[in-house]
Amino acid sequence: GAVVSQHPSRVICKSGTSVKIECRSLDFQATTMFWYRQFPKKSLMLMATSNEGSKATYEQGVEKDKFLINHASLTLSTLTVTSAHPEDSSFYICSARFLGTGGYGYTFGSGTRLTVV
Amino acid sequence: GNSVTQMEGPVTLSEEAFLTINCTYTATGYPSLFWYVQYPGEGLQLLLKATKADDKGSNKGFEATYRKETTSFHLEKGSVQVSDSAVYFCALSTGPTGGGNKLTFGTGTQLKVEL
Repeated sequence: GAVVSQHPSRVICKSGTSVKIECRSLDFQATTMFWYRQFPKKSLMLMATSNEGSKATYEQGVEKDKFLINHASLTLSTLTVTSAHPEDSSFYICSARFLGTGGYGYTFGSGTRLTVV
Repeated sequence: GNSVTQMEGPVTLSEEAFLTINCTYTATGYPSLFWYVQYPGEGLQLLLKATKADDKGSNKGFEATYRKETTSFHLEKGSVQVSDSAVYFCALSTGPTGGGNKLTFGTGTQLKVEL
């Protein structure tokens, strides 16, 4: 249980275009989802917390107009990288919080490798 | 604020060797502690967790004990396999049920196991 599906797994786009990444909870309702960015050989950097039906909360230094987050339903959150540039190339991972028998837990998507050329 | 410190990697071991990856933390309140594993090109998978002091999390031969007195949650495995090669992340969350708004991660430790 508590599975999150993230798509696409890889995407290559041209500089200046926008890319949308989807994160779906398959067998539970995710009121809270998180978006992370991971640089090569580095830890995960939390970009924003996405709450269903409300605006996302962005971490300091993350441009909200650059990284648009929409969490319109209890099973879907999307991250759109707008006007992408090569420096946006990275590995993006979504995560959802769920309530299990042992309390709250966090489940992760398989990640999206974004390459901007 | 909350923070997690992990030992620097990479760690290279021979198969069947003993593994320890150190993790210490700083947190307000009573955190829940986690170890996640990331295989190449994939997202994170929960390896084990502990929600209160002296709890021991275990899974797939890995163990970690929540030590409040030393604020540590070291990961151990008695005999590693090549298939254990991955990056391991220590993390914490705060809140009455570990359901704080976000996880705080350590920097990750890459483990490479050789034959």
